[in-house]
Amino acid sequence: ETGVTQSPTHLIKTRGQQVTLRCSSQSGHNTVSWYQQALGQGPQFIFQYYREEENGRGNFPPRFSGLQFPNYSSELNVNALELDDSALYLCASSGLNTEAFFGQGTRLTVV
Amino acid sequence: AQSVAQPEDQVNVAEGNPLTVKCTYSVSGNPYLFWYVQYPNRGLQFLLKYITGDNLVKGSYGFEAEFNKSQTSFHLKKPSALVSDSALYFCAVSLTGPRVDKLIFGTGTRLQVFP
Repeated sequence: ETGVTQSPTHLIKTRGQQVTLRCSSQSGHNTVSWYQQALGQGPQFIFQYYREEENGRGNFPPRFSGLQFPNYSSELNVNALELDDSALYLCASSGLNTEAFFGQGTRLTVV
Repeated sequence: AQSVAQPEDQVNVAEGNPLTVKCTYSVSGNPYLFWYVQYPNRGLQFLLKYITGDNLVKGSYGFEAEFNKSQTSFHLKKPSALVSDSALYFCAVSLTGPRVDKLIFGTGTRLQVFP
């Protein structure tokens, strides 16, 4: 098991609502990346945070936003939820020159 | 643009037989390649990576991968499959070169090992 923890594990939201997902990074890691994995697909890079600043973003709209805190934990916020936002959201932490270590994910269902 | 392709949705193999899961890549510049495994209702677990050096990379759980620059391939292999190897396998390429934590993933290959 990695030291990356995500909460909650499952979540059901209604279209149009807002959601916040949380991630605690592995000890010693200062970088957190977020990925969206739709059913039957590979994970897609949303964005990365390094030392509390956004450090790269994938092809996701601005309603996907994030934060990183001084302890390097992170939040992913999604506004105006759409049905297509239903997916497994994965958080990964990394340090200098290390590969990404993934949490178990948050399964978001939008109804 | 960087991309990876996993041409097989599913690979079936008998326990004890060798297994291969295929991956091809398209990158500008030097490729930084990875394999991850995902078990049901779990996150991704790192298996191995190729950054530079020997074309045969050894990883976790007896897996290895062969980097072939001329064929732009990075196939995952194991000499003797176990039932417990049954899972979803993802090949990935780094978006940012040596900084190995921004990844583009393939669509995944489901490995089924039969007793």
